[in-house]
Amino acid sequence: QKEVEQNSGPLSVPEGAIASLNCTYSDRGSQSFFWYRQYSGKSPELIMSIYSNGDKEDGRFTAQLNKASQYVSLLIRDSQPSDSATYLCAVNSLKAAGNKLTFGGGTRVLVKP
Amino acid sequence: EPEVTQTPSHQVTQMGQEVILRCVPISNHLYFYWYRQILGQKVEFLVSFYNNEISEKSEIFDDQFSVERPDGSNFTLKIRSTKLEDSAMYFCASSEGPSGFYGYTFGSGTRLTVV
Repeated sequence: QKEVEQNSGPLSVPEGAIASLNCTYSDRGSQSFFWYRQYSGKSPELIMSIYSNGDKEDGRFTAQLNKASQYVSLLIRDSQPSDSATYLCAVNSLKAAGNKLTFGGGTRVLVKP
Repeated sequence: EPEVTQTPSHQVTQMGQEVILRCVPISNHLYFYWYRQILGQKVEFLVSFYNNEISEKSEIFDDQFSVERPDGSNFTLKIRSTKLEDSAMYFCASSEGPSGFYGYTFGSGTRLTVV
């Protein structure tokens, strides 16, 4: 079973619409959850972190966490063409002695003008 | 904004040669990491380093790999005898504290091409 799973996409979204990205994880003991954005050929860039069940908003981004369902999501409101990128979900596991984050394969988002 | 700096940005090497990838983490960060990403694939953990020793390593990080913090600022990844399958983007990352609280800041990466 994959540790962190994401739909690879592409998720095609009209400009101004909401993009909804999902991520599931297998380690029930996971405590911290992160969303990174990665433009093609570039390094991942941290955009959101979430630790508690519920919603967390930061500008146009909202992260949602449901630990019982082992599910974390990211909403991008008022999507812009500059949001076109791959979005990586990353999870910190209690099993990880060295503080590693485990990444999903990413969801590619295309925002069409 | 503080950055993690990686050099070189691109390295081409012949199979069997040794390469050293260099990183300068953010100055007040205490935890250091190397990840790699083969083209089109996921970001994979290689090794984490804290308090001058390896705290965790993955199955990928075999005897051909080593890490070192030779001074107070640099953090290096050495691949002793490169293979074709080592071709990937290598990312250094650092965090101020445990990643569970802080997440990572990634460097811009070194693209390693083994020919």
